[in-house]
Amino acid sequence: QKEVEQNSGPLSVPEGAIASLNCTYSDRGSQSFFWYRQYSGKSPELIMFIYSNGDKEDGRFTAQLNKASQYVSLLIRDSQPSDSATYLCAATPGYNTDKLIFGTGTRLQVFP
Amino acid sequence: DAGITQSPRYKITETGRQVTLMCHQTWSHSYMFWYRQDLGHGLRLIYYSAAADITDKGEVPDGYVVSRSKTENFPLTLESATRSQTSVYFCASSTSGARTDTQYFGPGTRLTVL
Repeated sequence: QKEVEQNSGPLSVPEGAIASLNCTYSDRGSQSFFWYRQYSGKSPELIMFIYSNGDKEDGRFTAQLNKASQYVSLLIRDSQPSDSATYLCAATPGYNTDKLIFGTGTRLQVFP
Repeated sequence: DAGITQSPRYKITETGRQVTLMCHQTWSHSYMFWYRQDLGHGLRLIYYSAAADITDKGEVPDGYVVSRSKTENFPLTLESATRSQTSVYFCASSTSGARTDTQYFGPGTRLTVL
């Protein structure tokens, strides 16, 4: 079992809709969680991070963390075609907070 | 503002050859990381470094060697390249460990081993 799991997709949503991306993790000691966006052929770039249970909002993006269920999600409101990319979830393992374990990513397609 | 750069951007080599991928950052970040990205596996950590002369293994270190004599450089060497090392390699850096800090990624090196 991978430590960080994501559905590979693609997740297809119409422009203007809410895209919901999900991630589960197996290490209960994980403390920090990150969402990166990666456009095709490009390098990953950070969207946001979350440490505490609950929601964290940044513009059109909301990260949600539920440590009891070991679940992290990213909501993208008012999805735009420019949001079409692969979204990578990452977590710091409990045994070593210097590094990140990445999921395999979910490909999001926003169609006009 | 050069940020983090990788060279070469593309490399084709043959099985058994030694290959070195370069990574250079201008931010004086303490931490540097090497990842490989493969279809179906996502990003996997190869090695990382918390400071000059301090390196540690990641998830998939076998077949790779790193060094960090200067803060700004973190070369990755494949001592005897194998076809399974065909991948896209990303270097990243951050001011501190992953728990509280953003990792900034370089543009990547696409390596093909024939």
